[in-house]
Amino acid sequence: SAVISQKPSRDICQRGTSLTIQCQVDSQVTMMFWYRQQPGQSLTLIATANQGSEATYESGFVIDKFPISRPNLTFSTLTVSNLSPEDSSIYLCSVEVTGTWNYTFGSGTRLTVV
Amino acid sequence: QQPVQSPQAVILREGEDAVINCSSSKALYSVHWYRQKHGEAPVFLMILLKGGEQKGHEKISASFNEKKQQSSLYLTASQLSYSGTYFCGRNSGNTPLVFGKGTRLSVIA
Repeated sequence: SAVISQKPSRDICQRGTSLTIQCQVDSQVTMMFWYRQQPGQSLTLIATANQGSEATYESGFVIDKFPISRPNLTFSTLTVSNLSPEDSSIYLCSVEVTGTWNYTFGSGTRLTVV
Repeated sequence: QQPVQSPQAVILREGEDAVINCSSSKALYSVHWYRQKHGEAPVFLMILLKGGEQKGHEKISASFNEKKQQSSLYLTASQLSYSGTYFCGRNSGNTPLVFGKGTRLSVIA
C-alpha cells in the first residue's frame, strides 16, 4: 500500500485566517481524496483531486472555501479558507493505489479554530 | 447515499464475538472495512468485491451478500486491541469511498 505523509499534524488557527494542508504520497496515484471528520463523526468526502483537472467537490463543499491543488501525481494540498470555529475538525487525505482497491489514509490534520 | 451500519456501539468482554452489519440502498460494487482508534487515521482491514465472497484476517472475517446489498464483519474471540470504531465504506468502481456512521466497539477485560 502507499505511504502518505500529511502535514501539519495539528494546528490552532485564528478565525478568518486560512490553513493549507499538504499530502505527499510515495508513489504515483491517479486519484486523491480529501475527507473531513468532525469530532465523533464519520468521514465525509470533501472533494476528489485529479492531476491536471479541477477538483470535483461534493455537495455542501465549494472551491472558494476549500481550494485544492494537485500539481502532480504524488502531491496535493487542501486549503481551508476564512476559518470559523465550525471548521474545527480532522482533515484526511486518501489515495487509491491504482488497481489495488486499497484506499490508504494519511495520518490526518487536527484543526482547531479559535 | 451513506451505508447504514448496525449496531452503533457494542461492548464486549475479551474472548466474546461480535458482528457488525453494513447495508446499502444503492448497489454495492465493493465494501471496504476500516478500524479507527482514537486520534489515529482509519486503518484498512479488508475489501470485498461483488460475488458474495468471504474474507478473513486473523480472527476478523467478513462476508458480502450482493443480493441483500449487505456486508457483515465478524470479530471472533475479541482482544483488547480490537477496540475502536469500525467503518464500512462502499464505492462503485473507481470512485471515492462513502462511509457509514461507524460502530464503536469497546472490548473490556
